[in-house]
Amino acid sequence: DQQVKQNSPSLSVQEGRISILNCDYTNSMFDYFLWYKKYPAEGPTFLISISSIKDKNEDGRFTVFLNKSAKHLSLHIVPSQPGDSAVYFCAAAHTGNQFYFGTGTSLTVIP
Amino acid sequence: ETGVTQTPRHLVMGMTNKKSLKCEQHLGHNAMYWYKQSAKKPLELMFVYNFKEQTENNSVPSRFSPECPNSSHLFLHLHTLQPEDSALYLCASSQGADRRGGEQYFGPGTRLTVT
Repeated sequence: DQQVKQNSPSLSVQEGRISILNCDYTNSMFDYFLWYKKYPAEGPTFLISISSIKDKNEDGRFTVFLNKSAKHLSLHIVPSQPGDSAVYFCAAAHTGNQFYFGTGTSLTVIP
Repeated sequence: ETGVTQTPRHLVMGMTNKKSLKCEQHLGHNAMYWYKQSAKKPLELMFVYNFKEQTENNSVPSRFSPECPNSSHLFLHLHTLQPEDSALYLCASSQGADRRGGEQYFGPGTRLTVT
């Protein structure tokens, strides 16, 4: 059973607008969450993380929000740029354990 | 070379062949991982090595055999594979072998096709 779910396989956004990518998880023990970005023919690269003691973490144009009660996290990209077009994976883990990944959301930013 | 490298990038093999995938990390990390990514599925963790010791084997069939001679190198030996084993195989490394080790750094992957 998938413990981390990304229910939107794809998303299209106009350049300059906000991109919101969503991720849900089922295991309440997860206490560390990450987002990765993957371009074709490359491995995933780490983007941003958040610990369960926080509900928001910001890094430039990227902000991750965590709603523990809803077991939901989201990645906001503002403003979206064509170079942000990629597949985004969320991942979750709890101390002493492995990371679990979602299936990814393919983001297309339209110039 | 920097980061995590994987060779070969593409591999086509028959079901009776034996081949090996190689991964090398130049980041000074202590943990290395093999993942399998099939279409429309999440990344599946296969094996974890921490300080050269295997710490995780996620019920992977014995036709996949990992080897970690040192903290910088990881191999995946393949034999008598099935067509359903066709996938992207990703290697990753991190400081430690669990979430306290922080984010993982991935190689570009080996696209494996079993005919």
